[in-house]
Amino acid sequence: GENVEQHPSTLSVQEGDSAVIKCTYSDSASNYFPWYKQELGKGPQLIIDIRSNVGEKKDQRIAVTLNKTAKHFSLHITETQPEDSAVYFCAAIQAAGNKLTFGGGTRVLVKP
Amino acid sequence: EAQVTQNPRYLITVTGKKLTVTCSQNMNHEYMSWYRQDPGLGLRQIYYSMNVEVTDKGDVPEGYKVSRKEKRNFPLILESPSPNQTSLYFCASSLSRGGADGYTFGSGTRLTVV
Repeated sequence: GENVEQHPSTLSVQEGDSAVIKCTYSDSASNYFPWYKQELGKGPQLIIDIRSNVGEKKDQRIAVTLNKTAKHFSLHITETQPEDSAVYFCAAIQAAGNKLTFGGGTRVLVKP
Repeated sequence: EAQVTQNPRYLITVTGKKLTVTCSQNMNHEYMSWYRQDPGLGLRQIYYSMNVEVTDKGDVPEGYKVSRKEKRNFPLILESPSPNQTSLYFCASSLSRGGADGYTFGSGTRLTVV
């Protein structure tokens, strides 16, 4: 089955700096890669996703890149703000699959 | 408002006392799933359901049961809870199989088994 590894497990950045979270996956058939943000006391919320026919996708201050050859994808947050402090999860699924496989999560702390 | 509703939010129980965590969605999604979240392990799938009366095991199904008698409801049942089931539980639903177009998650149920 699919295995997703996520690094780092914790990330502390100064407000205004950039944050990068990296994930690797094992199943070359995976073709959908979402990112979820989990704020304290809440359920995870989808913030951006990318499909395997695209190399990069942006939405305001967040972007995701995908390298299919190397089987890794990354989340980039620019100009970080205190409200970006949360736990972030990456995930992967193949077209014929029945479930998302999640990474272990990254706790991001943005220091004012 | 489109949402997934879980109850209760917090639950403390004793070993062996049967309990049910309810989950309901109002988006007419066919696919529903239960996850548990433990530090450093991310979200691990317990059970999922592709439609009414169709359920299957996820990665960590031991000690859990589910049912899907109606499209909107997907309760999680712990017949004889044990301390290793102390965790944060999330119900999720999606339009596409497996969450392949994005999940909507509930707010979570924090379960403590003593």
